[in-house]
Amino acid sequence: GAGVSQSPRYKVAKRGQDVALRCDPISGHVSLFWYQQALGQGPEFLTYFQNEAQLDKSGLPSDRFFAERPEGSVSTLKIQRTQQEDSAVYLCASSPTTGLAGYEQYFGPGTRLTVT
Amino acid sequence: GQQLNQSPQSMFIQEGEDVSMNCTSSSIFNTWLWYKQDPGEGPVLLIALYKAGELTSNGRLTAQFGITRKDSFLNISASIPSDVGIYFCAGWNSGGSNYKLTFGKGTLLTVNP
Repeated sequence: GAGVSQSPRYKVAKRGQDVALRCDPISGHVSLFWYQQALGQGPEFLTYFQNEAQLDKSGLPSDRFFAERPEGSVSTLKIQRTQQEDSAVYLCASSPTTGLAGYEQYFGPGTRLTVT
Repeated sequence: GQQLNQSPQSMFIQEGEDVSMNCTSSSIFNTWLWYKQDPGEGPVLLIALYKAGELTSNGRLTAQFGITRKDSFLNISASIPSDVGIYFCAGWNSGGSNYKLTFGKGTLLTVNP
């Protein structure tokens, strides 16, 4: 079966541009997570959706970051007025469960964003 | 943001050798996990640990959850070239508004054939 897919795989943006990153989770997975992975670092949590509800957005670094999952499947992470410090790999993960077993996350390949 | 402390940062070993890496945290986690990330890919779950003191194996991999729930180690026996990659530990707490995995910075493993 298909895993988590993300698009585009690579994105180069000029400083100040807006970008939209897409995540297609595994079909039927209730939970969806976004992470930011800077070069040489581990992934850092950005936000969490349970179906269409955004239950935790405490990791979003600023109000330039916005995520949505309107129909409880595909999710989009939008970054407005990109800055150089936004350069990173953005990982999406989905999970068939919530709560105690929510750690069982399946990651996509990520979108590498480079802001010039 | 908070990250777990992993050591060593990198390892270069010969094929067939055993490897050990560990992870510590100032916080307690209910569940500890070990992931492997290949270049250009997302992390893949290797082992999950649920109970303090628990020792779990998955093939050539063995991991233990510390008694205090603040540390864990991962051992790889008889390494092979495909073990190359970055290994991350991660902590998970569920309940309330906590839904996040907290990752370490990773251990880069290189295996020389």
